[in-house]
Amino acid sequence: GAVVSQHPSRVICKSGTSVKIECRSLDFQATTMFWYRQFPKQSLMLMATSNEGSKATYEQGVEKDKFLINHASLTLSTLTVTSAHPEDSSFYICSARDRLNTGELFFGEGSRLTVL
Amino acid sequence: AQTVTQSQPEMSVQEAETVTLSCTYDTSENNYYLFWYKQPPSRQMILVIRQEAYKQQNATENRFSVNFQKAAKSFSLKISDSQLGDTAMYFCAFMRIQGAQKLVFGQGTRLTINP
Repeated sequence: GAVVSQHPSRVICKSGTSVKIECRSLDFQATTMFWYRQFPKQSLMLMATSNEGSKATYEQGVEKDKFLINHASLTLSTLTVTSAHPEDSSFYICSARDRLNTGELFFGEGSRLTVL
Repeated sequence: AQTVTQSQPEMSVQEAETVTLSCTYDTSENNYYLFWYKQPPSRQMILVIRQEAYKQQNATENRFSVNFQKAAKSFSLKISDSQLGDTAMYFCAFMRIQGAQKLVFGQGTRLTINP
């Protein structure tokens, strides 16, 4: 199956700093990628839809200036958490849709962010 | 807006038993996809099975099968001959075919297979 890789898998940062998480489709081109946030023992909450070459579409209640998304190529999307605070600590997961748009999404391994 | 509901927060069965996880959804769409995803302790989301709403035949994938009742908007997952490796969180998910193709997830069911 298609592979989506996220990096880093774990990151610890100080409050006030910015953290970048990368999501790469390794063996397919992804015109659309999605970023989710998952709190402990809860479901995945969609944060934004990342479209290659255009601005991301954010879900209601998600601060676009806080969570910067860039999808500069067909294989890479990045999520930058700016001026991180402890409440931003969470598990962030990306998924990508094959350019062929078969309807299936492929998920990355997730990135655990801890803000001290 | 679409919603997905999983009414069983936790379930536990013995190894080799059969277990059914429930899922209902609400939509005004006629064509869509439904999925079951597994999230083991590693947190990697794994696709278990997928169903296209326009197909009447229930999807099956080895020990995993679904009971798709379109009129009732129900999409349950049956795991036969359960194995210890089936222990995980299971999420039911909905995706529109037209427009914004976003996955909408249910709350999840924590399934434990006991030896």
